[in-house]
Amino acid sequence: DGGITQSPKYLFRKEGQNVTLSCEQNLNHDAMYWYRQDPGQGLRLIYYSQIVNDFQKGDIAEGYSVSREKKESFPLTVTSAQKNPTAFYLCASSRPTGSSGNTIYFGEGSWLTVV
Amino acid sequence: EDQVTQSPEALRLQEGESSSLNCSYTVSGLRGLFWYRQDPGKGPEFLFTLYSAGEEKEKERLKATLTKKESFLHITAPKPEDSATYLCAVQDYGGSQGNLIFGKGTKLSVKP
Repeated sequence: DGGITQSPKYLFRKEGQNVTLSCEQNLNHDAMYWYRQDPGQGLRLIYYSQIVNDFQKGDIAEGYSVSREKKESFPLTVTSAQKNPTAFYLCASSRPTGSSGNTIYFGEGSWLTVV
Repeated sequence: EDQVTQSPEALRLQEGESSSLNCSYTVSGLRGLFWYRQDPGKGPEFLFTLYSAGEEKEKERLKATLTKKESFLHITAPKPEDSATYLCAVQDYGGSQGNLIFGKGTKLSVKP
């Protein structure tokens, strides 16, 4: 089945530690995204990538890094510089934006907790 | 600045009691308006895309409509399995390529 796979589902980070969230898609989508969701707030964009080897900062990129070496994969690293990383992280993908809006599809999410 | 406001924040219905959720938006140029359903601990599930005022789309008990300033998600004769958080998002021609601006959602509870 085509879809977006995120792993792990639950992740615990110690103070000062970097952690990486995996995102793989087999929908043959060119564009991929990372969003963060906090209770009582709307989803916020961290990073996005329209093509391989290129990515752009979103609204809340500080303390995060990404890579896009393959079309299917868009891992997110939460660095120690991110002071409040506890949240629900969502990976998404879509076809390239055309003249009309392009539908963005989401994975099942990863919970990150600081311990 | 693009804004999306959803109301109410929470809605409790009896099974079979029809109602509507509202999504008001402000964008410089609407590329698309999207509705998603999100169950607890899961990623958002795509429901509808609307592109222009006057457009309507239906899926089972759900019907989405769009005007120049807002969208409604009408729920007809809801069932307990319709309980979820419903998210509205807009895509702006002037915004970051592909970026969606999300509202905070409406949490719907349907009691048997």
